Amino acid sequence: EVQLLESGGGLVQPGGSLRLSCAASGFTFSSYAMSWVRQAPGRGLEWVSSISGSGGSIYYAGSVKGRFTISRDNSKNTLYLQMNSLRAEDAALYYCAKGGGQYLYYFDYWGQGTLVTVSS
Amino acid sequence: EIVLTQSPGTLSLSPGERATLSCRASQSVSSNYLAWYQQKPGQAPRLLIYGASSRATGIPDRFSGSGSGTDFTLTISRLEPEDFAVYYCQQYGSSPWTFGQGTKVEIK
Repeated sequence: EVQLLESGGGLVQPGGSLRLSCAASGFTFSSYAMSWVRQAPGRGLEWVSSISGSGGSIYYAGSVKGRFTISRDNSKNTLYLQMNSLRAEDAALYYCAKGGGQYLYYFDYWGQGTLVTVSS
Repeated sequence: EIVLTQSPGTLSLSPGERATLSCRASQSVSSNYLAWYQQKPGQAPRLLIYGASSRATGIPDRFSGSGSGTDFTLTISRLEPEDFAVYYCQQYGSSPWTFGQGTKVEIK
């Protein structure tokens, strides 16, 4: 059974940093792309960042490029999102999502999300 | 960036009726890499369709996807009570991957 468990969310001041983690199990982690997708309260889905199974291909939404860094540790079956220079508009529920293949960026399994609140 | 526009914004139907949801792209979606998701309140999204017309594992056959290029459709042949939810399309043919704004299917 595929399981994705996010952690690391919380309250942070504008300009601060957070590191999200996603522990994966139930599949061969290194064979699949992984992504972060966020959803602000009452709003739609917004793709944030993706990384291929090997880690060699990385993509960012324009709204986070230069501030967020996605990475993965295939030996630990864990996905990360380092978020710096956080803004009020980054506040959202952040989902970790498994891709359909090494380089396929649809999302066939999702975690339950970790909440990021940005406020002074 | 490919902008996806979903219509209608809200669809009011009764159980047993047919639902037709539209997703229009601002430019052609490469390889018809278009997915559909269902999201219920307080839950993570669930993949329904990928590659425009392939059903995901465990998805009932009352859900079907069609279309190509810039025009895509999700059809629910006969609405079950559990199908009332918000539906999103997503293109993954060219970065940045983008989502539509969603269509809410509500009980009439």
